[in-house]
Amino acid sequence: RKEVEQDPGPFNVPEGATVAFNCTYSNSASQSFFWYRQDCRKEPKLLMSVYSSGNEDGRFTAQLNRASQYISLLIRDSKLSDSATYLCVVKGGSSASKIIFGSGTRLSIRP
Amino acid sequence: EAQVTQNPRYLITVTGKKLTVTCSQNMNHEYMSWYRQDPGLGLRQIYYSMNVEVTDKGDVPEGYKVSRKEKRNFPLILESPSPNQTSLYFCASSLSRQGGVGEQFFGPGTRLTVL
Repeated sequence: RKEVEQDPGPFNVPEGATVAFNCTYSNSASQSFFWYRQDCRKEPKLLMSVYSSGNEDGRFTAQLNRASQYISLLIRDSKLSDSATYLCVVKGGSSASKIIFGSGTRLSIRP
Repeated sequence: EAQVTQNPRYLITVTGKKLTVTCSQNMNHEYMSWYRQDPGLGLRQIYYSMNVEVTDKGDVPEGYKVSRKEKRNFPLILESPSPNQTSLYFCASSLSRQGGVGEQFFGPGTRLTVL
């Protein structure tokens, strides 16, 4: 079983739709959680950190469920520019420096 | 401008010919890391470094070496490249704080093909 698992998609949704991704992790001792965004053939960039209480940044909402060991990302009122691959990142566990990336969920927004 | 640079950006080489991919950051970050990205597998950590002269293996270190003689540089060395090392490589850096590593900043990537 992979340490961090994501639905690879692709998710193809119309502009303005709300879309949600989940990411599950296997190490209950994991400490920090993030969502990164990667555009085609480009480097990943931090989208947002995920805090225990949940957090929101504009149209994006991230949540953490430690009991079920998953994090989620919700995108409201999706824009064409949201088309990208979204990577779930989990840090910590046996080592605070150990970083595991999910394989990514591909999102395509259509006009 | 704060950035992570990698060179070369593209490289085609042959099996067994030693190569080095350089990585440099100008943000005075303690933490640096190398990843490879392959279709369906996502980013996998090769090596990381918490600070100068401190390096550790990631998930896929076989066939790679690294060094951290200066804070800003973290070269990736392939002593004898093989075709299964054909991949897209990313270098990243981050501040290191108590409780772990912060946001990572990635270089633009190096696309390596080993024939």
